[in-house]
Amino acid sequence: GAVVSQHPSWVICKSGTSVKIECRSLDFQATTMFWYRQFPKKSLMLMATSNEGSKATYEQGVEKDKFLINHASLTLSTLTVTSAHPEDSSFYICSARPSSGASYEQYFGPGTRLTVT
Amino acid sequence: DQQVKQNSPSLSVQEGRISILNCDYTNSMFDYFLWYKKYPAEGPTFLISISSIKDKNEDGRFTVFLNKSAKHLSLHIVPSQPGDSAVYFCAASAPYNFNKFYFGSGTKLNVKP
Repeated sequence: GAVVSQHPSWVICKSGTSVKIECRSLDFQATTMFWYRQFPKKSLMLMATSNEGSKATYEQGVEKDKFLINHASLTLSTLTVTSAHPEDSSFYICSARPSSGASYEQYFGPGTRLTVT
Repeated sequence: DQQVKQNSPSLSVQEGRISILNCDYTNSMFDYFLWYKKYPAEGPTFLISISSIKDKNEDGRFTVFLNKSAKHLSLHIVPSQPGDSAVYFCAASAPYNFNKFYFGSGTKLNVKP
C-alpha cells in the first residue's frame, strides 16, 4: 500500500518549452502533496506544498510562475515547468501525505529526471 | 544554507556487522527527525523516526539515537544485511510544521556479503 507514481520518469525538452510532471497516489487519497528538487549529491529541497483544491504554497526563492502546481484531485498533483532553461535540469520528486495519516507521513514517488537542452 | 548535513557520502560495511550512519543539524528548533531509505529508481521510504523528547528509538534492527546538545543523530543497523544496501537520508522538521522537512544529502550504504 501507499504507492506514489510519477510520470514521466525522465524527460528531455528544449529550452523555452514547457513540461508537465504528474504525481499520483495510487491507493490512497492525499489532501497534501509536496514537490522537491534534488541536485546531484545534494539534499532534497522542498519547492512547494500543494493542497487539493487550493493554491500551492511555494518556498522562498521558488518562482511560482515558472513552476506551476495544480492539485485538482485527491490523487493527482502536477508540476509544470514553464519556459524551461538548462538550469532547470534536475531531479524532481513528489511525495503525498495520506488524508487520514499521521502528520509526519509522506510517501515519495520515484522521481522525474528533467534535462533541458 | 544546508541545515541538515550528512557528511559521509558513502559507507561500506561487512554483512553481520553494525552500520552507523550519522547526521548533523544546525537548527536547535528542530524537534522531529526521520530516516528514509532509498533504493535505485524508487522514492525514499520511511524507516524510523524520533521525537526530540526522546534520545533513542528502536525498531527491530534499526535504532536511532538523538543527541540534542550536539545536534547530532545517528542510525544504527545491526546486524547489517546485504538488502540494507541503499541510500539513507535523514530529515528534520521544526515544531508544528510537518509540511516542511529539511533533508540531508544522503549516505550510500553498501553491505558486503
